[in-house]
Amino acid sequence: AQSVAQPEDQVNVAEGNPLTVKCTYSVSGNPYLFWYVQYPNRGLQFLLKYITGDNLVKGSYGFEAEFNKSQTSFHLKKPSALVSDSALYFCAVRDPLNSGNTPLVFGKGTRLSVIA
Amino acid sequence: GAVVSQHPSRVICKSGTSVKIECRSLDFQATTMFWYRQFPKKSLMLMATSNEGSKATYEQGVEKDKFLINHASLTLSTLTVTSAHPEDSSFYICSARDLGLLYEAFFGQGTRLTVV
Repeated sequence: AQSVAQPEDQVNVAEGNPLTVKCTYSVSGNPYLFWYVQYPNRGLQFLLKYITGDNLVKGSYGFEAEFNKSQTSFHLKKPSALVSDSALYFCAVRDPLNSGNTPLVFGKGTRLSVIA
Repeated sequence: GAVVSQHPSRVICKSGTSVKIECRSLDFQATTMFWYRQFPKKSLMLMATSNEGSKATYEQGVEKDKFLINHASLTLSTLTVTSAHPEDSSFYICSARDLGLLYEAFFGQGTRLTVV
């Protein structure tokens, strides 16, 4: 069964500093990996995905993530955090070996607080 | 990206009444939509998979008769919370995947349900 772990409930970072939100996954084959962001009382917004190819994926709002197969990780990063980046971040995985319209499996979320 | 519209964004209802939440894919067709429930400071819990023209598939522990799902067209799925109770108060989010894009899912803005 596929699963996602986000080991940190909360990440605090000063504005202008680099940020990292951690994610590790478990699937039977090569994973499809995603990051979403959620602002209060809103749905999830897609940030970026890894399907195949270059391990470093660039996404919306200056975010990027690096797929590391040996460590089964897909950490989200940004070189310089903004206060407006404060939100709830979800990592998700889908196992491409499971055919059909399977839902994404989400981590429990990490709350990012960027302090001015 | 594809747009998923969810309505209403907020609803307050009395105990014992029913509430319908709509999820529409605005610029693509979605044969499958997913309904999630999110508890405060928690991750998304998949409730059911909604399939156009057929019965929904419910996750274990989700009451089919309480959470009625109808997916009558390729662009609309509805979730009806029947005989609502205060413990049904939650944030409900729908998701759909654009098969033309294959990979990521797109989310509605969510519905905050409060049962009084």
